[in-house]
Amino acid sequence: DVKVTQSSRYLVKRTGEKVFLECVQDMDHENMFWYRQDPGLGLRLIYFSYDVKMKEKGDIPEGYSVSREKKERFSLILESASTNQTSMYLCASSIGQGRRPYEQYFGPGTRLTVT
Amino acid sequence: GIQVEQSPPDLILQEGANSTLRCNFSDSVNNLQWFHQNPWGQLINLFYIPSGTKQNGRLSATTVATERYSLLYISSSQTTDSGVYFCAVEPRRYGNNRLAFGKGNQVVVIP
Repeated sequence: DVKVTQSSRYLVKRTGEKVFLECVQDMDHENMFWYRQDPGLGLRLIYFSYDVKMKEKGDIPEGYSVSREKKERFSLILESASTNQTSMYLCASSIGQGRRPYEQYFGPGTRLTVT
Repeated sequence: GIQVEQSPPDLILQEGANSTLRCNFSDSVNNLQWFHQNPWGQLINLFYIPSGTKQNGRLSATTVATERYSLLYISSSQTTDSGVYFCAVEPRRYGNNRLAFGKGNQVVVIP
């Protein structure tokens, strides 16, 4: 079974703090994704990575950065947390282009509150 | 970008009832997935279904890619079916399994 884990289930940070959210997958997947989920807005893609050290902006990258130094690990960084970044953050992974089945698998999520 | 619309947004079911959730999308896609988000927030894969029909227990799904819609059927609903159901598509122009999500169908099954 695919396993995607996230470093924290709940996190409370103060405005202006630097925040790291970690995601690890154990299936040797090439692709990894970070989403945020807000009520009434569904899931929105922040960043994704299709290979080590590669990254692509998603739909809402402002205020975020990412790091992928190893294939199994994808980090989301909030350089200076703000209250409008209070949200549920979800990490996902999938196999690479041209392979099947092309399913995304999700971690349990991190509920981040910025006060 | 691509529009993904799910209907109905909210649904209340009596336990044992059947229901159909619909996902319409506005452009050609490579890939379509259905997910169930449980009350603890975990998204669980239900179907990877870019076209055709699949069944898994009481759930089944049909995607008609040429007409740009997919249907998720829940039969003999149980309280454990409660949660939010998401449809997500990979637009043909994206690649790399980049998905666009609908806003979800909130389903409540009452005993």
